[in-house]
Amino acid sequence: LAKTTQPISMDSYEGQEVNITCSHNNIATNDYITWYQQFPSQGPRFIIQGYKTKVTNEVASLFIPADRKSSTLSLPRVSLSDTAVYYCLVETGANNLFFGTGTRLTVIP
Amino acid sequence: NAGVTQTPKFQVLKTGQSMTLQCAQDMNHEYMSWYRQDPGMGLRLIHYSVGAGITDQGEVPNGYNVSRSTTEDFPLRLLSAAPSQTSVYFCASSYTKTARYGYTFGSGTRLTVV
Repeated sequence: LAKTTQPISMDSYEGQEVNITCSHNNIATNDYITWYQQFPSQGPRFIIQGYKTKVTNEVASLFIPADRKSSTLSLPRVSLSDTAVYYCLVETGANNLFFGTGTRLTVIP
Repeated sequence: NAGVTQTPKFQVLKTGQSMTLQCAQDMNHEYMSWYRQDPGMGLRLIHYSVGAGITDQGEVPNGYNVSRSTTEDFPLRLLSAAPSQTSVYFCASSYTKTARYGYTFGSGTRLTVV
């Protein structure tokens, strides 16, 4: 089961770049890495997905090394509105997605 | 574009009562699922469906039933509510079961069982 490990919480000041690293040692060959964002009282929201190297969209960048045993979500110049819980997920093959406890990011003014 | 719609948003039940949480999506997604979220526990999968007429159990299925008679709807039934079922429930849908296209989540139902 390709479960993930990520920090429980992080703090950052406004305007800084935030990098959240996720470990997924048991990732399988066909698995994709997906990150979700969850604000209080809302459902998780898909923000970015990747398989290898680097993916960038309007919200974030995702860096995946060659061995794919970890990945790093990068949020450029965070604002107060980026305060949320961020989940790193890896498809578990025959099973469904596993949501751990995520990383609670707090952006400080 | 409504996406995934969950009703009700809030519900209080007495122990032993039954109820149905509704979930509907208008994206023609084949895959739908129910999660519960408890403080400090992340999201845990209750039941899922890969298409109309097909359902299966997730990580924490006890005390819940589901059915999938149409592509659009995936109701979750609590048979006899217990305080341990106090939680926030999220419905999610996707084109397929895999993570390849991401899941779309509803806004949740906050359930309290007293």
